[in-house]
Amino acid sequence: DVKVTQSSRYLVKRTGEKVFLECVQDMDHENMFWYRQDPGLGLRLIYFSYDVKMKEKGDIPEGYSVSREKKERFSLILESASTNQTSMYLCASSSARGQRQPQHFGDGTRLSIL
Amino acid sequence: GDSVTQMEGPVTLSEEAFLTINCTYTATGYPSLFWYVQYPGEGLQLLLKATKADDKGSNKGFEATYRKETTSFHLEKGSVQVSDSAVYFCALSRPGNEKLTFGTGTRLTIIP
Repeated sequence: DVKVTQSSRYLVKRTGEKVFLECVQDMDHENMFWYRQDPGLGLRLIYFSYDVKMKEKGDIPEGYSVSREKKERFSLILESASTNQTSMYLCASSSARGQRQPQHFGDGTRLSIL
Repeated sequence: GDSVTQMEGPVTLSEEAFLTINCTYTATGYPSLFWYVQYPGEGLQLLLKATKADDKGSNKGFEATYRKETTSFHLEKGSVQVSDSAVYFCALSRPGNEKLTFGTGTRLTIIP
């Protein structure tokens, strides 16, 4: 089975801090994604990556950046955390081999910014 | 742009009731359609998918049929169980595009 592991289940940080959320997948997937999940809004794509050192903006990239130095690891960075970034963050990965492969999700990181 | 509209929740049903969660979409071309499920405290899991018109996806007693004429992909189950309590998300992706567009999710609660 595909395993997508997010480094923390719960995280509490302060306004203005630089925050790192880590995600690792063990299936050699090319594609990796970061979403945030908010009540009534569903999942919204922040950034995604098709390959090492490659990144593309999703629908809500403002206030975030990402890093993909190795194929299995995709990091989400909040440059200067703000209270409106309090949310559930979900990482996902998928294979680029064959068409329309499903995304596999981690269990999420619930981030609170105080 | 692409969009997915799901029925508003929450939905509460008794065990063994029939379930329908409506999903309609707007997209150009021929998208693939997915249902994901999120159990409490967990990430999303793929429940079923369909990649072309009239395809029926099925898994764990759930079914959904890709209806291009009505741009719909409604989720159904004939007899729900307490263990089906979760949040259900409808989603689509377009050919050549790995991104998923999600609906807002429908929270389902099954009472014994």
